[in-house]
Amino acid sequence: SQTIHQWPATLVQPVGSPLSLECTVEGTSNPNLYWYRQAAGRGLQLLFYSVGIGQISSEVPQNLSASRPQDRQFILSSKKLLLSDSGFYLCAWTPIWEGKGSTEAFFGQGTRLTVV
Amino acid sequence: AQSVAQPEDQVNVAEGNPLTVKCTYSVSGNPYLFWYVQYPNRGLQFLLKYITGDNLVKGSYGFEAEFNKSQTSFHLKKPSALVSDSALYFCAVRAMDSSYKLIFGSGTRLLVRP
Repeated sequence: SQTIHQWPATLVQPVGSPLSLECTVEGTSNPNLYWYRQAAGRGLQLLFYSVGIGQISSEVPQNLSASRPQDRQFILSSKKLLLSDSGFYLCAWTPIWEGKGSTEAFFGQGTRLTVV
Repeated sequence: AQSVAQPEDQVNVAEGNPLTVKCTYSVSGNPYLFWYVQYPNRGLQFLLKYITGDNLVKGSYGFEAEFNKSQTSFHLKKPSALVSDSALYFCAVRAMDSSYKLIFGSGTRLLVRP
């Protein structure tokens, strides 16, 4: 069966420090991968998605970047965190096979990032 | 552009009563629609989806949703609410480009009182 791992669960970082959040998927190959951010416990904003290794699409301009160094690994990074980067970050994946549009996305457990 | 709207920030219902969480969508073509639930400080859990076929879709934990094409709605329902159903609920539509990303509504907080 497929599983998604996201870590760390919580993170407190000072302003100006770097960030690296990691997400890995097991039990599948060539998934579409996504990073979402949730502010104030409500709406979900798509930050990045990837349809393959090294292929990253950014949805909104911001202080963050993403990379996909391996097929099932998705990393969210920042060189210098801002207070506004605080939030709940969620990684998700969608299977790639026939009828892929009909398959639900699966989410990790999230990372609570607090920038102080 | 595709979008979904959840017009209610919060829905309050007594335990044992039926519940409805509303969702309307705007898409060109046939929509792929999804409902997710989120408990505090947790990821999203998939509840159900509409792809094609029967307009009444049954999902996890006794939830169901009714797809109404003429009203462009996909309301989430449950015949008898439980206190444990209290959570944040998201409706989503799938983008039909190569991203296959989910476009989410703003979420509705469901509060079931004992």
